[in-house]
Amino acid sequence: GESVGLHLPTLSVQEGDNSIINCAYSNSASDYFIWYKQESGKGPQFIIDIRSNMDKRQGQRVTVLLNKTVKHLSLQIAATQPGDSAVYFCAEQQANAGGTSYGKLTFGQGTILTVHP
Amino acid sequence: ETGVTQTPRHLVMGMTNKKSLKCEQHLGHNAMYWYKQSAKKPLELMFVYNFKEQTENNSVPSRFSPECPNSSHLFLHLHTLQPEDSALYLCASSQEKQGTLNIQYFGAGTRLSVL
Repeated sequence: GESVGLHLPTLSVQEGDNSIINCAYSNSASDYFIWYKQESGKGPQFIIDIRSNMDKRQGQRVTVLLNKTVKHLSLQIAATQPGDSAVYFCAEQQANAGGTSYGKLTFGQGTILTVHP
Repeated sequence: ETGVTQTPRHLVMGMTNKKSLKCEQHLGHNAMYWYKQSAKKPLELMFVYNFKEQTENNSVPSRFSPECPNSSHLFLHLHTLQPEDSALYLCASSQEKQGTLNIQYFGAGTRLSVL
């Protein structure tokens, strides 16, 4: 079936390094791809999204890359800080899906990012 | 604060108990969601409500019963649960609109343990 999944379940980096979290997806009908961050004891928090007709989008210290040819999504975090330690989820959304639930998200399994001081 | 509040934060119940989870959103959104988050599994969508109408039920067992009295409140009524139902239950809300990105805002969740 259609799914969104992650290659690596854990990633450990030193403070100040750049982090790259990867995600593979299989639903080529998705309109948006989204990254969420979930810190311990909290719910997922939206970080950044990218529309399916784009291949790169930059935010504050984060960049998302989309490669539709190989159905791959990545989140790059520059100068990773201890506060970036969390579980990161990719998700996909079909904004024009049939029916009335346009906001449905399909989540991947998640990657645990640990940043060492 | 995300604007989505869930209570209680922790709940322990026996298999014969009846309890309810509550979610309230202060964002003026038109859609609310229940998710189940188990260890080593992706977030599983359970129910979707849009303008108080249930639009999704992802084959959830009848021992979970949602209720959405208005666009700001969402409940999940629990009865005769099984130990495998122990998980983090997350509520989210969004302003659903066709053709645009719908960002979901999540509460902190209710950690449920079924004994």
